[in-house]
Amino acid sequence: GAVVSQHPSWVICKSGTSVKIECRSLDFQATTMFWYRQFPKQSLMLMATSNEGSKATYEQGVEKDKFLINHASLTLSTLTVTSAHPEDSSFYICSADFPDLNEQYFGPGTRLTVT
Amino acid sequence: DAKTTQPTSMDCAEGRAANLPCNHSTISGNEYVYWYRQIHSQGPQYIIHGLKNNETNEMASLIITEDRKSSTLILPHATLRDTAVYYCIAVSGSARQLTFGSGTQLTVLP
Repeated sequence: GAVVSQHPSWVICKSGTSVKIECRSLDFQATTMFWYRQFPKQSLMLMATSNEGSKATYEQGVEKDKFLINHASLTLSTLTVTSAHPEDSSFYICSADFPDLNEQYFGPGTRLTVT
Repeated sequence: DAKTTQPTSMDCAEGRAANLPCNHSTISGNEYVYWYRQIHSQGPQYIIHGLKNNETNEMASLIITEDRKSSTLILPHATLRDTAVYYCIAVSGSARQLTFGSGTQLTVLP
């Protein structure tokens, strides 16, 4: 089946710096990708919907200027956490939607720790 | 998307069938029932989905009631590696984003 990868799998950065997380669809082209965030002992929360070639749609309460999403190709979406702060430390997970298969596959996640 | 309700936790003996229930009483006609699971510190893994009919694949079976207000995920022979949080999600065919609830923590006991 389709495979979605994320890079890096974990990252530690200093407060105030920016971090870019890549999400790749390895087997199929994905017009739509989603970005989720998961804090410890909580469920996944949708942050934004990323559509290839257009601006991302952000969920209420998610700062679009802080979490920059770029979906420049059908196989790659990136999430950049700008001016990261300790409260941005979380598990970031992407998914790729394949409507033709009626399935959605998730990446393995990226653990971000901001010190 | 329709709200789903699942038990917080369940235990199952290794080798036995694990039956995970889900209530989705407000599900609409165009919403599918999807099941995912998340093993600790990993991304969610797709298990199965269905609309009206029961479905089976190599991982599990999905039983949907005739009125579609509830469903059951069945893992026929649970193993220790099936220990995970299982999420039941109602997904519209057009709006594809997934809304995760708190899920069911399934613990398979040796």
